[in-house]
Amino acid sequence: AQSVAQPEDQVNVAEGNPLTVKCTYSVSGNPYLFWYVQYPNRGLQFLLKYITGDNLVKGSYGFEAEFNKSQTSFHLKKPSALVSDSALYFCAVRDSSGTASKLTFGTGTRLQVTL
Amino acid sequence: ETGVTQTPRHLVMGMTNKKSLKCEQHLGHNAMYWYKQSAKKPLELMFVYSLEERVENNSVPSRFSPECPNSSHLFLHLHTLQPEDSALYLCASSQGWASGYNEQFFGPGTRLTVL
Repeated sequence: AQSVAQPEDQVNVAEGNPLTVKCTYSVSGNPYLFWYVQYPNRGLQFLLKYITGDNLVKGSYGFEAEFNKSQTSFHLKKPSALVSDSALYFCAVRDSSGTASKLTFGTGTRLQVTL
Repeated sequence: ETGVTQTPRHLVMGMTNKKSLKCEQHLGHNAMYWYKQSAKKPLELMFVYSLEERVENNSVPSRFSPECPNSSHLFLHLHTLQPEDSALYLCASSQGWASGYNEQFFGPGTRLTVL
C-alpha cells in the first residue's frame, strides 16, 4: 500500500526567509509525486510534480521540490517566503507501476508566513 | 479558477433530504473525481470516472450516488445523509486516469453541513 507523511501540521516562517515543507512517501514501485496548495475557501491548486528525470523540480510561484529516492522524500522549498504563500500544502503520491492506482494525499501542512 | 466549477458552494440539509452536487469541467479532460475533505484527515477519494465509466468506488456508502452523463459533467446525489458526512466535497478532473502522471485540477468545493 502507498502512503504519504507530512510530519509537520504547521510551519511558521518570517517573510523573506527560506521555507521548507516536508514530505516522505512509501510506494512499492517508482513514485509519481505532486504538491498542491489550498487557499481558504478554494480547491486545491497544482504546484509541481516529479515524474522522472532531474531530481530538482521547479513549479509555480517560485516553489521547487527535490526528489530524494534514498530518503523517500519530496520536500517543498522556496528561497524567499511571501505572506501570500500562507496556505495549506498537500503532498501526494501515486505508484507508477500500479495499473490506475489512486493518488494518495498527506494530511496537509499549514504554512504561516509573517512579516 | 474557472476550469472546474462546482455548485452549490454551500449546502445545508437535513438527514432525510435529497440533494445533488454538480461539477463541470471546461478543460477537455476525460477523467473526473469526487473527493471528501474533512478536517485533520487526508483527502478521501470517493469515485473516479474515466471516459464516463466508473473505474473506482472506494467503499463509499450507498447514500452517495455518483452520475457522469458526459465527460464534462459529474454529479453526486445525496440522500439520508448522516451528520458525519458534513465535509468539503471536491470535484477534480484530469487528462487520463490510467497513466497516473497527469495532475488533477480541482474545483472550489461544496461545503456540506448535515443537520
